[in-house]
Amino acid sequence: QITLRESGPTLVKPTQTLTLTCTFSGFSLSTYGVGVGWIRQPPGKALEWLALIYWNDDKRYSPSLKSRLTITKDTSKNHVVLTMTNMDPMDTATYYCTHTDESSMVPPDYWGQGTLVTVSS
Amino acid sequence: QSVMTQPPSASGTPGQRVTISCSGSDSNIGNNYVYWYQQLPGTAPKLLIHRNNQRPSGVPDRFSGSKSGTSASLAISGLRSEDEADYYCASWDDTLGGPDVVFGGGTKLTVL
Repeated sequence: QITLRESGPTLVKPTQTLTLTCTFSGFSLSTYGVGVGWIRQPPGKALEWLALIYWNDDKRYSPSLKSRLTITKDTSKNHVVLTMTNMDPMDTATYYCTHTDESSMVPPDYWGQGTLVTVSS
Repeated sequence: QSVMTQPPSASGTPGQRVTISCSGSDSNIGNNYVYWYQQLPGTAPKLLIHRNNQRPSGVPDRFSGSKSGTSASLAISGLRSEDEADYYCASWDDTLGGPDVVFGGGTKLTVL
């Protein structure tokens, strides 16, 4: 059974750096083709894809946010970490951790429950 | 503004059949699989349809997906009150310099 759980601060100040951790179980991020990514959803708005890291450490980023995002993995701990610099109130959203199966170039199949991050001074 | 276009709202009465459309382009729907998600209020999106028309285990066969060219549709038959939710389409996108995964803007389904 695949599960993913996001953790991190619920409140960050403008200009600060956000660090979110995804802890997963039920699969290995060393399996060929598998990826773990992040998607966010501002309150009342649509979903926005942010980043994805593959089993082979290939990293993909949303072009509009690439300069602010870093995604890393720790396969031994079943963790994926996303950092986003220079946070702004417009970054207030629920952030979801996701799993992509061995097909690789497809949208995610499993989602974490999400964590709401509010950016405010 | 979302890369793929969905109607913002849809509605139906219990027992009815409702369809939700998703319009994209060659770089996404035209050359890649379409996925559909259901998002109940206050919860994370849940996969309803993958690879255009495949249902994951546990998803009722009342839900079906189809794709033609650069458009896709989600059909819900025998509409039930618990189907009231937001529905999103998604696809991989091959645009150079674009995001890898793109979504529709979402359709809010109301069961009257």
